[in-house]
Amino acid sequence: GAGVSQSPSNKVTEKGKDVELRCDPISGHTALYWYRQRLGQGLEFLIYFQGNSAPDKSGLPSDRFSAERTGESVSTLTIQRTQQEDSAVYLCASSLAGGRSSYEQYFGPGTRLTVT
Amino acid sequence: AQSVAQPEDQVNVAEGNPLTVKCTYSVSGNPYLFWYVQYPNRGLQFLLKYITGDNLVKGSYGFEAEFNKSQTSFHLKKPSALVSDSALYFCAVRDGYNFNKFYFGSGTKLNVKP
Repeated sequence: GAGVSQSPSNKVTEKGKDVELRCDPISGHTALYWYRQRLGQGLEFLIYFQGNSAPDKSGLPSDRFSAERTGESVSTLTIQRTQQEDSAVYLCASSLAGGRSSYEQYFGPGTRLTVT
Repeated sequence: AQSVAQPEDQVNVAEGNPLTVKCTYSVSGNPYLFWYVQYPNRGLQFLLKYITGDNLVKGSYGFEAEFNKSQTSFHLKKPSALVSDSALYFCAVRDGYNFNKFYFGSGTKLNVKP
């Protein structure tokens, strides 16, 4: 079956512009995660969605970052007024469930964001 | 603070030899530990996980990992390396308080030479 897809694969934007990144999770996966991976570093948790519950936004680094997900479908991560330090690979992952269940996560290929 | 450390940026091993990729963690409560692998131009793929039970966990592609509570380690191992095992390996641990949150190591590049 289809895996997790993300678009665009690459995005170059000017400092101060807004960007929107998209994630299509695996069908039937109720949990969805966004991570940021800076060059040479590990994945940094950003936000978690579980079904129709309120998202866990505890990892968002500033109020310039926001994300939405409708039900168990597509999610979008929006970065407003981008800064150069936002340059990174943004990874999306989905799993059957999260929280206490902690099933393995299935990752998309990522969106490489470059802010010039 | 909760965290994961992968002390080696790179591990080199000859094909057919055993391999070990190291991971240590710091987390409150009982640790939920994971290994993922990233092949070139591919997304991260799940290899194995430890939640409870036997300290030796077996996973995909012949990999296994040993949970050591006293040393707070979860090293990835394989008895006989293949050239096709060359990839980037990430260790991850679930937050002990916030079960939605995971910490990933910085990754270890495994190079298996023929």
